[in-house]
Amino acid sequence: GIQVEQSPPDLILQEGANSTLRCNFSDSVNNLQWFHQNPWGQLINLFYIPSGTKQNGRLSATTVATERYSLLYISSSQTTDSGVYFCAVEGSGGSNYKLTFGKGTLLTVNP
Amino acid sequence: GAVVSQHPSRVICKSGTSVKIECRSLDFQATTMFWYRQFPKQSLMLMATSNEGSKATYEQGVEKDKFLINHASLTLSTLTVTSAHPEDSSFYICSARAPRTTNYGYTFGSGTRLTVV
Repeated sequence: GIQVEQSPPDLILQEGANSTLRCNFSDSVNNLQWFHQNPWGQLINLFYIPSGTKQNGRLSATTVATERYSLLYISSSQTTDSGVYFCAVEGSGGSNYKLTFGKGTLLTVNP
Repeated sequence: GAVVSQHPSRVICKSGTSVKIECRSLDFQATTMFWYRQFPKQSLMLMATSNEGSKATYEQGVEKDKFLINHASLTLSTLTVTSAHPEDSSFYICSARAPRTTNYGYTFGSGTRLTVV
């Protein structure tokens, strides 16, 4: 099946700093999503971005499907941005559509 | 739009009992739903794909007799953990794919934290 690798696994920032999270995937995809998992476990859908660039406030994401990677940018980080960020993809091969998750990036933003 | 509701959010049960978790799509129909399991500090692992009106498809290594899935309608899938044991304690999350016209992709319930004592 498709492989998803996220980096870095852990990231510690001071409030106000910017960061870039990376997601590499091993095959072509129909779908790629970035999620933020809050301390209660809820997965918040940040971006649905199989290709191209999107922005939502301080967050933006870019997926270069031909090179099989996606980037999540967080600008002017806040303590509330802390948590685990997951990249998940739906491979385009076969008929069994499902999401495969990376291992996540644990972000800690200190005041 | 594309909201998935999961209930209960937290359950504690005694070893040997069964627990049922419900997953509902509130504003769309979902012919397919997905059940994930997440251990502390780990990623989400797909357990099974729930298909409305037919048998679920289980991932390799997941015991179908232990984790019973029923998808009786286009808006409801249930996961029953049978004869639960402490090693079944985990965070269970359901998901459904929103209609492709919405560009929401997959949407997730809020999860169920199961503790077996």
